[in-house]
Amino acid sequence: QVQLQESGPGLVKPSETLSLTCTVSGGSIGSYYWGWIRQPPGKGLEWIGYIHYLGNKYYSSSLKSRITISVDSSKNQFSLRLSSVTAADTATYYCARVRAPPGDGYYMDVWGKGTTVTVSS
Amino acid sequence: DIQMTQSPSSLSASVGDTVTITCRASQNIDNYLGWYQQKPGKAPKVLIFSASTLQSGVPSRFSGSRSGTDFTLTISSLQPEDFATYYCHQTYSTVYTFGQGTKLEIK
Repeated sequence: QVQLQESGPGLVKPSETLSLTCTVSGGSIGSYYWGWIRQPPGKGLEWIGYIHYLGNKYYSSSLKSRITISVDSSKNQFSLRLSSVTAADTATYYCARVRAPPGDGYYMDVWGKGTTVTVSS
Repeated sequence: DIQMTQSPSSLSASVGDTVTITCRASQNIDNYLGWYQQKPGKAPKVLIFSASTLQSGVPSRFSGSRSGTDFTLTISSLQPEDFATYYCHQTYSTVYTFGQGTKLEIK
């Protein structure tokens, strides 16, 4: 059974770069898209972006100038970097697997438990 | 970006009730719509994908439908464990977007 685990610093200073890694266990990172989603405290879900294991990547319009998502197939990991962070980037960050069923629609069927990142000096 | 307008933002209901949550897309998204349930402190869980396909293991009291750019999640015979926040999510464009969420509370 595939499991995802986010890891990274829980505290980042303003203007610095937030770096998170999602480790895929129980299965291969191949053949899927892998995504990042965040949720500010008490607010809704925000899509950040996603990447195919071969490297195709798609980013949120509002964040694309600051984000980089990458994949390391040899380690079965994918990563998120968000630069120039501010307090508005404080959130729980989730990684997820994106499935593509026959027909219409992609959806996230496996999620990490989430990691809380606070931006503060 | 495609906007997903979800309503209502909150809803009170009783065990045994049937409730409906709606999402309207700002443009055609075919059936590229999923519904997720989130409980406090937990990651979201997919309920429905492709607008109306029930994810494996999800109770049949959950159902989804589409009419044009309007999508509906219906929960029949509410159970205590159904009180949570629900989100719609479009994956038609390469820039995915979520609805604002609907918090379903016990009356």
